[in-house]
Amino acid sequence: AQSVTQPDIHITVSEGASLELRCNYSYGATPYLFWYVQSPGQGLQLLLKYFSGDTLVQGIKGFEAEFKRSQSSFNLRKPSVHWSDAAEYFCAVGPGFHPGNTPLVFGKGTRLSVIA
Amino acid sequence: KAGVTQTPRYLIKTRGQQVTLSCSPISGHRSVSWYQQTPGQGLQFLFEYFSETQRNKGNFPGRFSGRQFSNSRSEMNVSTLELGDSALYLCASSGQGAETQYFGPGTRLLVL
Repeated sequence: AQSVTQPDIHITVSEGASLELRCNYSYGATPYLFWYVQSPGQGLQLLLKYFSGDTLVQGIKGFEAEFKRSQSSFNLRKPSVHWSDAAEYFCAVGPGFHPGNTPLVFGKGTRLSVIA
Repeated sequence: KAGVTQTPRYLIKTRGQQVTLSCSPISGHRSVSWYQQTPGQGLQFLFEYFSETQRNKGNFPGRFSGRQFSNSRSEMNVSTLELGDSALYLCASSGQGAETQYFGPGTRLLVL
């Protein structure tokens, strides 16, 4: 069965510091991978996605993620965190281009706090 | 393009009542998925509709149901509400290939 693990429940970083959020997945086929961000009381906003090709993908708000098939990982990074990045981040694995496949499976999320 | 919209944004109900939530997808999107988000269980898939047909269903009791209209708008209904149904209900829409889902702001349901 598909699964996503985000090992870190809560991370605190200083403003201006670099950030890496970890994500490991289990998926039977070639995965379609996503990172979403959720601010308090809000829905999920798509940060970036990986379907195929270049394993380093760029997203919005200065985020990037690297797909490593050998490690079954899709870690999210940002070189310099801003206070407005404080939110909950979700990694998800999806069904790709075939309608009717299993839906998005989400990790439990990582809550990011940013301190001055 | 306007994003996914959900109404209402907040609801308070009592046990035993029923509730209907509405979702309008991004224009041109024909797939609508519903998720329940709770602190304990995280994000869980409820069901997906495509062209008015339920294409996929999660592991929720029959009290949870949905439908989709010809304009792709979708509703979900929860009957005989229980305290544990208190959650944020998120709707997501996607295009033809269903590869990327775009989420609405959610409806927060509180069951007293």
